Amino acid sequence: KAGVTQTPRYLIKTRGQQVTLSCSPISGHRSVSWYQQTPGQGLQFLFEYFSETQRNKGNFPGRFSGRQFSNSRSEMNVSTLELGDSALYLCASSPQGSGGELFFGEGSRLTVL
Amino acid sequence: GIQVEQSPPDLILQEGANSTLRCNFSDSVNNLQWFHQNPWGQLINLFYIPSGTKQNGRLSATTVATERYSLLYISSSQTTDSGVYFCAVGGYSSASKIIFGSGTRLSIRP
Repeated sequence: KAGVTQTPRYLIKTRGQQVTLSCSPISGHRSVSWYQQTPGQGLQFLFEYFSETQRNKGNFPGRFSGRQFSNSRSEMNVSTLELGDSALYLCASSPQGSGGELFFGEGSRLTVL
Repeated sequence: GIQVEQSPPDLILQEGANSTLRCNFSDSVNNLQWFHQNPWGQLINLFYIPSGTKQNGRLSATTVATERYSLLYISSSQTTDSGVYFCAVGGYSSASKIIFGSGTRLSIRP
C-alpha cells in the first residue's frame, strides 16, 4: 500500500509569491491534515479536511488556505509569501480523522528568499 | 486547548543504554501517538497509544490516561535511534486539533 505522497519535496520562492503544495493520502483514507514545522515554533496544526470539508483550522492567517478533492487528495496554498513562511510542511492522512492514527508524508521544504 | 509537555528536551546516551521519554498532557485525550523524526524530516509512526501498553521490539510505550502522561521506553539503544521523538495528542471534541509536544532530541553515542 503506497504511503502519503507530498509534492514538491523542495521549493524556493521569493517574498510576495504564492505556493501550492499537494498531498495524496493513503488509499482509502478520507482525512488529510497539514502541519507546519519551524525551528522556532515547532510542529503546528494548519488545517484538517474530511470528505472535502474543512473540519478544523489552526491559528494561521488567511494567507494559508487549503482544499480537498473528491479523491481525497489535498492541496494547501500560501499567498503573499513572507520570509517566516520558510518551513517544512507536513501532510498526514488518517482513515477517519478525529481520534484516528496519523500517517505522515515526507514533507515539502519551502524556502522563501 | 490541550497543553503537551515532553521531557527531557535533550538526552545523550551511550550505545546500549536504556532511555525513558515522557509526555504529559493537560486534558483527556482520545488520540496519542509517538513519532520519530528521521534526518530528512519525515515523521515515522512508533505507537498509536491513547491508553494501555504496547511493545514493538526494543521499543515500548505506556499511556496512563487517568494521570495524563505517556512514556516511551527505548532499550539497548543503537546509534540509529538518534533523532527527535515527538508525542502528539488530540482531544475528544470533533473540533479538537492535534497538538505536538516540543520533542525530545536523543543522541546515541557509539
